Amino acid sequence: KAGVTQTPRYLIKTRGQQVTLSCSPISGHRSVSWYQQTPGQGLQFLFEYFSETQRNKGNFPGRFSGRQFSNSRSEMNVSTLELGDSALYLCASSFAGGPGDTQYFGPGTRLTVL
Amino acid sequence: GENVEQHPSTLSVQEGDSAVIKCTYSDSASNYFPWYKQELGKRPQLIIDIRSNVGEKKDQRIAVTLNKTAKHFSLHITETQPEDSAVYFCAAQSGGSSNTGKLIFGQGTTLQVKP
Repeated sequence: KAGVTQTPRYLIKTRGQQVTLSCSPISGHRSVSWYQQTPGQGLQFLFEYFSETQRNKGNFPGRFSGRQFSNSRSEMNVSTLELGDSALYLCASSFAGGPGDTQYFGPGTRLTVL
Repeated sequence: GENVEQHPSTLSVQEGDSAVIKCTYSDSASNYFPWYKQELGKRPQLIIDIRSNVGEKKDQRIAVTLNKTAKHFSLHITETQPEDSAVYFCAAQSGGSSNTGKLIFGQGTTLQVKP
């Protein structure tokens, strides 16, 4: 099976702009979770989608949003970018998102906000 | 809120020695505990996991132990090799609809294995 893929791999934006990141899960996986990874805060949960519905959300401002399509591909959007949004954004897919359901990570999108 | 504390933040061992990384979780409803290895510039990869109904699990040189009473779990790597050098993350997940797809991660441990 092909692994989780993310596009683009690198992005450079300026403050105030918005950005859209894409994640294609492993075939057959219906749950997609998004995480932000920074040196200071580590890996933090953003949100999780299942069957085109957001089921769970972490403690991030409303500037961070996402969606999921009928083929389980997911996108996340960050509006009005701030310098502190610079991070590695990782998505992970699993069969159904429950405890014990292994989450497989994509390679990440490295976002730099100038 | 939920929290996972991981220690130590850095660990340096000689090749062939053992390495132990410890994590403590706060949510007593946590019932799934995976460990991920992240090499520099690479994605996190699952190396072992354990469920709350099991006290210990082993896979070749890697083992994980869980103490539900103390809310504590540990990763043990024996006969370390230079290729074990990486950042290791522990995580916890709770059951229930409000926790689907939500892993709470520790801060990570940078393991260096010296040849």
